[in-house]
Order: sequence, then structure tokens, then C-alpha cells
Amino acid sequence: VHLLESGGGLVQPGGSLRLSCAASGFTFSNYGMSWIRQAPGKGLEWVSGITGSGANIFYADSVKGRFTISRDNSNSTLNLQMISLRAEDTAVYYCTKWPARFVGATRPWLDSWGQGTPVTVSS
Amino acid sequence: QSVLTQPPSVSAAPGQTVTISCSGSSSNIGNNYVSWYQQFPGTAPKLLIYDNNKRPSGIPDRFSGSKSGTSATLGITGLQTGDEADYYCGAWNNGLSAGLVFGGGTKLTVL
Repeated sequence: VHLLESGGGLVQPGGSLRLSCAASGFTFSNYGMSWIRQAPGKGLEWVSGITGSGANIFYADSVKGRFTISRDNSNSTLNLQMISLRAEDTAVYYCTKWPARFVGATRPWLDSWGQGTPVTVSS
Repeated sequence: QSVLTQPPSVSAAPGQTVTISCSGSSSNIGNNYVSWYQQFPGTAPKLLIYDNNKRPSGIPDRFSGSKSGTSATLGITGLQTGDEADYYCGAWNNGLSAGLVFGGGTKLTVL
């Protein structure tokens, strides 16, 4: 399993950014995926999750209405479109894989993580 | 403020045993599985324990997990200097704002 994030960088408050995660080494459509972030010196925070088919999507309250998760199963790619960015969105964003196609309480852990892509929101 | 509560730090000498606690509620730990992650500085977290007490392939049996009610515990026996890292617990949180929740992390220092 290999997860490679890209798209991070420096953006001004109110700006937008699109993160991508290229997945390989497994049948992408068979697994739920999530974005987890970690602010500098802080702990882990759930951002969003999407089931293998893309039919079910979850967001943390802190990003609801501003972030959109999507996936392209034909290209094994996970995306996170971020708009109206705030200083508190500054973090390393990790692409993560669930152990099954669903996202939820049944098997609630992340068995693979990418190396992360840093996002800095600052003027 | 994290939904799950962990001690900020724990320490022990090489060879000793240490435990890290993780406290939650009936909305998360009380009714769902707990997982644990290990993170070294500057690297991504790695799954250490899942399903409360199961270890992924390659994780030594020095690491163990348990759960009782709304709390969980990570145990590490035969401490090694290479175990010095941050440890996070995680669980699914039920309700209107369903999602994964994590503890604030515990820094393990091997003296």
C-alpha cells in the first residue's frame, strides 16, 4: 500500500487549495478513505471520510460547508477541495485508508497513512 | 480540546512496563472499537492496535491494548529507547457529528 499526497502549500486566508492522494498497491474502490490533519505541535484531527463507492461522505463540523472530499476510482485518487481557508486550517494533511469499503463504527481504524502534505494559511 | 482524554506524557526506564490511558464516553469508546497509533517526530502515524486489542502484522507483542467501559489502555512491556514516540488513541464517535475522534496524544519518554 502506498499513499502519496500532493497539492499542499501556502495560501492566504479566504483562499482555496485542492489536495490529492495517489493510491497504489491495493484495489482502491474496495476501501474507504479519509483525510486526517495535524496542526503544528498538536494532535490528530479527523477531517473527512468517504466510502469505497463514494456514496457516503462524512465531515468534521470544523470543515463542513468549506471542504469537499471526492474520489476517482478509475484513477485511484482521493481529493480534498478546500475553500474559505482559515489560519486554523494550517496543518499537515494525511491521506489514510480504512480496512474495508465502508467508513464508520464497524471497523473504525486507519491501517495505512501517507507521508502528509503541509498546508499553511497565512497572509 | 480532544474528545478522548490521554495523559500528556508518561515516562519509564528501559525494560520496564508503561501504560497509557484513554478516556471517552458512551458515544465513542463505550460502544465502539478503540485503535492506537504510534508517531515518531516528523513522520506519519502508524497503526499499532485495532479492535481494542489486536496487533497488525509486524507489531511486536510487547504492545497490547485493552478496553473497559468508556476507557482504554495501551500497554508496552520491555521498554526500548526506540519506543520513544507520541501515542494516540482513536474511536468512532456516534451521533449527529459522527466521525473518528482521537485523544490529544501521549508523549512517551524512555529514560
